[in-house]
Amino acid sequence: AQKVTQAQTEISVVEKEDVTLDCVYETRDTTYYLFWYKQPPSGELVFLIRRNSFDEQNEISGRYSWNFQKSTSSFNFTITASQVVDSAVYFCLGGVTGANNLFFGTGTRLTVIP
Amino acid sequence: DGGITQSPKYLFRKEGQNVTLSCEQNLNHDAMYWYRQDPGQGLRLIYYSQIVNDFQKGDIAEGYSVSREKKESFPLTVTSAQKNPTAFYLCASSDRITYEQYFGPGTRLTVT
Repeated sequence: AQKVTQAQTEISVVEKEDVTLDCVYETRDTTYYLFWYKQPPSGELVFLIRRNSFDEQNEISGRYSWNFQKSTSSFNFTITASQVVDSAVYFCLGGVTGANNLFFGTGTRLTVIP
Repeated sequence: DGGITQSPKYLFRKEGQNVTLSCEQNLNHDAMYWYRQDPGQGLRLIYYSQIVNDFQKGDIAEGYSVSREKKESFPLTVTSAQKNPTAFYLCASSDRITYEQYFGPGTRLTVT
């Protein structure tokens, strides 16, 4: 069985604070991939990052950074110096290589207060 | 521009009517998906198709039907058998290499 857990339902931070969104992916497969997507109020899901299970190198893209720890199956997402435009629902997804269907976490609603 | 289009953006129907949601992609992706999202909730998979003329049920397929006659198109019909059809419906497609799913803008269906 596969499961993506986003334990934080809602987070509120004040603008310019750093914030980390947690994600844990449970699977028995050794080869898998993980994603983070952003869903702004408009509703469309926006791709942020894809990570393969064999690549544990952390990644930074501007104010965004991701930390993948295979030993704990965690794929956490940090926004540095948050901005109001970061307010959205963020989804973590997991999938097994070779299969097309992905497993969604329940999402974390981030509100950045000006 | 390559991408996924869904139409219409907002759709209103009376209870008891079937309604078909459109999803078209020009990304040359083999796989396509339909998801349902209820307010404040995550996405749930309705149906997916990995290749033309083939599709599989997702977690909540009851009351829905799909077809995949063309690679570019994956329409979803919400039938009168779906007990709570009011929701936000998202279509997605993906390729066989990255598995990254590209999402359409969604259709907000309201049934009264």
